[in-house]
Amino acid sequence: SQQGEEDPQALSIQEGENATMNCSYKTSINNLQWYRQNSGRGLVHLILIRSNEREKHSGRLRVTLDTSKKSSSLLITASRAADTASYFCATQGAQKLVFGQGTRLTINP
Amino acid sequence: KAGVTQTPRYLIKTRGQQVTLSCSPISGHRSVSWYQQTPGQGLQFLFEYFSETQRNKGNFPGRFSGRQFSNSRSEMNVSTLELGDSALYLCASLEGPLNNEQFFGPGTRLTVL
Repeated sequence: SQQGEEDPQALSIQEGENATMNCSYKTSINNLQWYRQNSGRGLVHLILIRSNEREKHSGRLRVTLDTSKKSSSLLITASRAADTASYFCATQGAQKLVFGQGTRLTINP
Repeated sequence: KAGVTQTPRYLIKTRGQQVTLSCSPISGHRSVSWYQQTPGQGLQFLFEYFSETQRNKGNFPGRFSGRQFSNSRSEMNVSTLELGDSALYLCASLEGPLNNEQFFGPGTRLTVL
């Protein structure tokens, strides 16, 4: 079974708006990572947040991690059409990286 | 540096056949992981190789196997193909410890007829 559960499964917003995606997980982790995938292609790494970090920024991306609630969120600000993609959270435990089912984000012009 | 490359990009096989997929990691990366992506099951971890040794393994049947060569290139093999093996197979390379980002290749789209 998947470690990460993402919410919502699909999100459609207007260009320029902010998009927020959430990820919950079940067991302890070393880090949590967010990836983007365009139309069945390879995954692109967006950001990694370690278990002892609470917030991280990268350009228009902001990730938070709450280990007490076992949850993370990805915020994309000022969305663009090019942000249309599927976004996956992945939790890194002692060994392998386990992915959630993903959020399908659509940015409407 | 060149990115992760996977060959072939597309493959069509029939049930019962076997298939071998190849992955070349980023130069200097010694770890290669393989994932299967399907609409129903999502992204699932197959196995990870580091310095020619399988370090981790997912919950897949023995029909799925892999290996890594001394130059870090990796292959995965699926024998006795089933319709349910149709998927996008992704490999990812990692520079060092597991606790870091992985770099993914474009994937191999396998269709089993």
